[in-house]
Amino acid sequence: DSGVTQTPKHLITATGQRVTLRCSPRSGDLSVYWYQQSLDQGLQFLIQYYNGEERAKGNILERFSAQQFPDLHSELNLSSLELGDSALYFCASSSTWDRDTEAFFGQGTRLTVV
Amino acid sequence: GENVEQHPSTLSVQEGDSAVIKCTYSDSASNYFPWYKQELGKRPQLIIDIRSNVGEKKDQRIAVTLNKTAKHFSLHITETQPEDSAVYFCAASQWGGYQKVTFGTGTKLQVIP
Repeated sequence: DSGVTQTPKHLITATGQRVTLRCSPRSGDLSVYWYQQSLDQGLQFLIQYYNGEERAKGNILERFSAQQFPDLHSELNLSSLELGDSALYFCASSSTWDRDTEAFFGQGTRLTVV
Repeated sequence: GENVEQHPSTLSVQEGDSAVIKCTYSDSASNYFPWYKQELGKRPQLIIDIRSNVGEKKDQRIAVTLNKTAKHFSLHITETQPEDSAVYFCAASQWGGYQKVTFGTGTKLQVIP
């Protein structure tokens, strides 16, 4: 167990809908990252937060948004869902932003858009 | 931004043989290079990493080499075992003020018993 918790584990929803994915980082970790992994694809970086502030942005669609709350948990909001948004969404956390520390991944949320 | 290319995309080796996965990066400011292993249906997990001030690092059967001048780094697995079968991702990042990890596209390694 990495200590990073993602909920829900599975989510099935219809096109056009909106969903929220939740991530609780390891205790003490300030950085949270979101990644998208489509079938047989690599890990696409979406966005990173550090202590509540957006720190880096990847190829995140405008239909997607994220935030990190004062208790350091993070939510990824996906709206106007399309079939192509079906993927495994990973959250990762790490403890500092100025050292080469390991990023720990959660188990992922598998999103299926039908 | 950083771009990480990884080759090959698939690799099949006989049990006991060695496997080599290569990555190149584009941003000379990248200074930390982790490797992750993702077993089927599971999360990626760090297996080894290397910093830019080190040329080689070894941990039992796995080793990573880094050539900063050429901007490439490689993962070497010796005496492969069936449990080494997984998808391996390389990554590059810049640590210190603006942290972003860029992953390669992954290599699916199959070790044939």
